[in-house]
This record gives sequence, C-alpha cells and structure tokens, in this order.
Amino acid sequence: EDKVVQSPLSLVVHEGDTVTLNCSYEVTNFRSLLWYKQEKKAPTFLFMLTSSGIEKKSGRLSSILDKKELFSILNITATQTGDSAVYLCGTYRSSNTGKLIFGQGTTLQVKP
Amino acid sequence: EAEVAQSPRYKITEKSQAVAFWCDPISGHATLYWYRQILGQGPELLVQFQDESVVDDSQLPKDRFSAERLKGVDSTLKIQPAELGDSAMYLCASSLEPLDGYTFGSGTRLTVV
Repeated sequence: EDKVVQSPLSLVVHEGDTVTLNCSYEVTNFRSLLWYKQEKKAPTFLFMLTSSGIEKKSGRLSSILDKKELFSILNITATQTGDSAVYLCGTYRSSNTGKLIFGQGTTLQVKP
Repeated sequence: EAEVAQSPRYKITEKSQAVAFWCDPISGHATLYWYRQILGQGPELLVQFQDESVVDDSQLPKDRFSAERLKGVDSTLKIQPAELGDSAMYLCASSLEPLDGYTFGSGTRLTVV
C-alpha cells in the first residue's frame, strides 16, 4: 500500500529561523512529489518535483527530491509569521489517474 | 487568477440529515476531484471525474455518499444520511489533465452534530 510520511508533525520556531520539513514515501511506480501550503483554507501549490537532485526554488522556499532514498525536503529560510501553516506533501504514481496520496502534514508555527 | 469555487463554506447539520456540497472548477479543467480532510490528517481522495465520467471512486462510501458531474463542468457531492464521523473539510480540486498539479477550492467545513 502506498504511504507518505511527513516529519516532524509539528514545529515551533522564531522569525528568522531556517526550517527543514521532511517527506518520505513508499509509492509503486512513483512519478512526482508535490508540496502544498495550507493555511485556514485550501492548499496552495508550492512545488512539483519529478527528477532527483534538482532543487526548485521560490523566494525563501526550496525543495529537492531524492529518488534513491525516497524522500524530499522543503526548506524555508528566514522564516516569517506568514509562513505559519500546514505543509502537505503528496505523490503521484506514473500509472494512476491523477490521485494524490498525501502525508498527514507538518504544522509550522512561526513566532514573532 | 482563476479559482475553484465551492459552496457553502461552512455547514452544520444534524446526524441522519442530508447535506450537499457544490464545486465549480476552473474553466476548461476536465479533471475534477473531491477530497475529504479530517482534522489533523492529509486529504484523502473520495472521487475523481474526467469530464462527466467517474474515474476513481474506490474510497467513496457509496452507501451514503454520491457524486455527480452531469455536464462535465460543475459537480455536487451529497451525503445522506450524515454521520458524526463525516465531520471534516471537503475539498474540491481541478486540473487541466491528470498528473498536472491541481488547484484546490477553499473547501466546505462540515460539522455533524
């Protein structure tokens, strides 16, 4: 059975800190891994990673995929209170219809 | 920026009552998904449509849940009768093609009392 596990489940940091969120997966015919940010509403798309070792960046956020060790990390540098959210990772199989298997999420709280 | 529209935003219902949620995907998006997110967990797929056809409803509790997308555009998810364990956020998402990243709507938060 496909499984996506995120760690830590929750994290409290202070503004300016750097955080690393982890996502490990066991997925048959893995195709891609996606990261979403969820505040008090709908998840918003951050990154899609398909190739191993290629870092994707958007401002203070970056992410990389390791297909050999079956994990991805999401880094946030110089955190701000607006980064407080639940961060979800999800995976696609190559063979499936578009279903995303999500992890349970990491709740990040950034204190002023 | 195009959005996925969902309504209502919040719904409180008594157990054994019927409840329905509506979703209007981004124009032109052929693939539509309904996910359920229980508090503290990641979203889980309930049903996926490609145009008006159901592609995956393997996790939909069909004794009480139904979903339709009659004209291949907007969609309705219904629960009848609602149970206490159905309390959750119901998220609709759409994508141009399967395996594109999706856009989620703002969700309907259902509380069953």
